[in-house]
Amino acid sequence: DTGVSQNPRHKITKRGQNVTFRCDPISEHNRLYWYRQTLGQGPEFLTYFQNEAQLEKSRLLSDRFSAERPKGSFSTLEIQRTEQGDSAMYLCASSPSGFSLEDNEQFFGPGTRLTVL
Amino acid sequence: AQKVTQAQTEISVVEKEDVTLDCVYETRDTTYYLFWYKQPPSGELVFLIRRNSFDEQNEISGRYSWNFQKSTSSFNFTITASQVVDSAVYFCALSEKNAGNNRKLIWGLGTSLAVNP
Repeated sequence: DTGVSQNPRHKITKRGQNVTFRCDPISEHNRLYWYRQTLGQGPEFLTYFQNEAQLEKSRLLSDRFSAERPKGSFSTLEIQRTEQGDSAMYLCASSPSGFSLEDNEQFFGPGTRLTVL
Repeated sequence: AQKVTQAQTEISVVEKEDVTLDCVYETRDTTYYLFWYKQPPSGELVFLIRRNSFDEQNEISGRYSWNFQKSTSSFNFTITASQVVDSAVYFCALSEKNAGNNRKLIWGLGTSLAVNP
């Protein structure tokens, strides 16, 4: 049973460094989402891909953040010049597309916990 | 604007008690989906249920049941005969179906449930 996987699971970095996270969605899912979750909060939407096209970006996604999904399969989220406020759990989810009720269920990966010192 | 409110921040019960987690939502759209997810201490979000706005039937799945009331914009979740393994943070979320494209989930802040032996 292959679910959504994310790597690394934990990342500790110093302020100002760049970090990159990877998400591998469920293979037949063409929709991919990135969320950020801080302690005591619900997930906050960051961005959404339909295949390789990035269809929506949150205002939370500053110009230091960039996400790609070059071949419509795995995705990367890069944060440049990290700040302490970037410390959070970064969650990836995938879902199938179409018009059935099944479309809307998002399957989440285990997340990447980022700590910026 | 879309919004999900989970007024209960923390709930503590003793094993075998029934517990209801409240969720109230706001949306201007007539077509939308509501979800509940569970986030155990391990951190991974686990899908529990999805309900579309045209289906107000209540649902029961084992010890879990959901009460969807459009008139009060609520989608409450009840756990019957709670168990220690039910201890987790539970999130209610809202998704709007817009022109055939499911986009982002709007999340509540979550309710932390502690079931004590």
